[in-house]
Amino acid sequence: GDSVTQTEGQVTVSESKSLIINCTYSTTSIAYPNLFWYVRYPGEGLQLLLKVITAGQKGSSRGFEATYNKETTSFHLQKASVQESDSAVYYCALGLPGGSNAKLTFGKGTKLSVKS
Amino acid sequence: EAAVTQSPRSKVAVTGGKVTLSCHQTNNHDYMYWYRQDTGHGLRLIHYSYVADSTEKGDIPDGYKASRPSQENFSLILELASLSQTAVYFCASSERPLSNERLFFGHGTKLSVL
Repeated sequence: GDSVTQTEGQVTVSESKSLIINCTYSTTSIAYPNLFWYVRYPGEGLQLLLKVITAGQKGSSRGFEATYNKETTSFHLQKASVQESDSAVYYCALGLPGGSNAKLTFGKGTKLSVKS
Repeated sequence: EAAVTQSPRSKVAVTGGKVTLSCHQTNNHDYMYWYRQDTGHGLRLIHYSYVADSTEKGDIPDGYKASRPSQENFSLILELASLSQTAVYFCASSERPLSNERLFFGHGTKLSVL
């Protein structure tokens, strides 16, 4: 089946330091997947942070970046300098086409805590 | 901005009781979804719908029913709630099918079954 593995549990980073949350995926589909990062801020629903649908391309939003690497099946999320307001849960997701049967598989989520 | 509203925000239910979670969207989207999240799991798809009066099973439909009476409303029904259904439930909508489409999520419903 399809799966997404991301950095487990909680990550604590000091403000202004760099961040990387690892995400790798596995799929048996012959189709090229689309890759997403969603974020859930405290008390809110998930919202799309960034997406990339073409291998080799980089997506960016709010200072975060992720590059779709087909060779290593990875889509790591990075930020050069985190802020307290970045504290949230981050979810990597894998999208596979299929019309009305299209699938979206989420990772378990990584909780980021930024300390001042 | 597209909006998805879930109710209630939290609920405590008794084992064997009936629970209904409601979702309303003002996005004019055809596709709606119900996910659950448990500690140690990613979001898992329970049911979805791409047209009113029709629902489809997702990856973990057992123990759940869904109802889509209109384009705007999508309910998740637990006829006989069980302890294992304690989780956070998210409703979402999208304009087109999942694979490369942005999902708009509600705030979530925290369900505790005792």
